Amino acid sequence: SQELEQSPQSLIVQEGKNLTINCTSSKTLYGLYWYKQKYGEGLIFLMMLQKGGEEKSHEKITAKLDEKKQQSSLHITASQPSHAGIYLCGADRASGTYKYIFGTGTRLKVLA
Amino acid sequence: DGGITQSPKYLFRKEGQNVTLSCEQNLNHDAMYWYRQDPGQGLRLIYYSQIVNDFQKGDIAEGYSVSREKKESFPLTVTSAQKNPTAFYLCASSTVGKNIQYFGAGTRLSVL
Repeated sequence: SQELEQSPQSLIVQEGKNLTINCTSSKTLYGLYWYKQKYGEGLIFLMMLQKGGEEKSHEKITAKLDEKKQQSSLHITASQPSHAGIYLCGADRASGTYKYIFGTGTRLKVLA
Repeated sequence: DGGITQSPKYLFRKEGQNVTLSCEQNLNHDAMYWYRQDPGQGLRLIYYSQIVNDFQKGDIAEGYSVSREKKESFPLTVTSAQKNPTAFYLCASSTVGKNIQYFGAGTRLSVL
């Protein structure tokens, strides 16, 4: 079965620093979704990637899907305390399926 | 505003008791999902429904039951057969053709 591995598991950075979170799949990714979760709250959708080499940005967050479609990265530029939370990647289990598989998440703390 | 509403936010279950978690959406989405989140384990799929009056088991359906009598509603019952129900439960929905899942704020279930 497919697995999604996220790294690092946790990250503490100083405000203003850049950071990268990785999501690696054991199989080809058909759709890759990035979410953010504040502790004890629901998931907020950030971005979706589907094509190899695709890159999307929103404010200071950029997500990329590699050409082989087995790894995605989430990059935050000039981090702020508002970026703190848990970042999760999710992926379609197969092409055309409704079901996701999720990574275990990366816990980000930003020190002011 | 459109969205997904989960209630209650906190729920306590006594031994041998069944409890029901509510999930309502006004996004006109066809598909709905229930996930369980445990610390360090990411999200695991309990049940999902692609259409009214139809639902399928996810990865960890034992001890849970659902119904989908209305498009807007997908309640989850945690039965007494679920021996370790303490977790954070998340409901999500998505529309056909665009598999971005939108999440509710979650229900935290604890055992008394």
